[in-house]
Amino acid sequence: QVQLVQSGAEVKKPGASLKVSCKASGYTFTGYYLHWVRQAPGQGLEWMGWINPNSGDTNYAQKFQGRGTMTRDTSITTAYMDLSRLRSDDTALYYCARGNMAHSPLNWFDPWGQGTLVTVSS
Amino acid sequence: ETVLTQSPATLSLSPGERATLSCRASQSVSSSLAWYQQKPGQTPRLLIYDTSNRATGIPARFSGSGSGTDFTLTISSLEPEDFAVYYCQQRSNWPPIFTFGPGTKVDIK
Repeated sequence: QVQLVQSGAEVKKPGASLKVSCKASGYTFTGYYLHWVRQAPGQGLEWMGWINPNSGDTNYAQKFQGRGTMTRDTSITTAYMDLSRLRSDDTALYYCARGNMAHSPLNWFDPWGQGTLVTVSS
Repeated sequence: ETVLTQSPATLSLSPGERATLSCRASQSVSSSLAWYQQKPGQTPRLLIYDTSNRATGIPARFSGSGSGTDFTLTISSLEPEDFAVYYCQQRSNWPPIFTFGPGTKVDIK
């Protein structure tokens, strides 16, 4: 079955950088776009961007341009989300989610990884 | 950027009742709208995509409708497991950019 397994919880200091991984299995990794979404404690969902694992092409929400970087390693079917210059308001649960349509960015998010809790605190 | 608003913020209903959730876009999104369910401590789950298509495994009591700027998620008869937060999401055409609404909490009356 399709699975997205994310890396474990992290505690970071303000100004540091973050790298979250998302290991995919159960499907052709290069066939589906991957998205990153975050959710601050008690808050709603915020889309961060997507990566095409086949080409490496990315597109970021305006808020994360210049601070967020999405990459992938096809040899180990893993996607990564880097976020630099962390602030306290980056404290959130970070999710990866797969597009539900093969070979298309015009998709929706299904399924989701289990989430990675990131705490930014001095 | 297209902004989504959802109403009401909270909907208090009893099991067996009909739930009607609204999502309004600040500009037309055509039919590029989806709905997700999130239960406490769980990951979001895709319910409806492209306005009215149920995702795999989603019961028929969930239905979506609308177009342009006004969309509705209807749960025909609430089951105990349906009490959750529901988010709408829109997608722009190109490049695809996504935004979520703030959510509607459906809780037990």
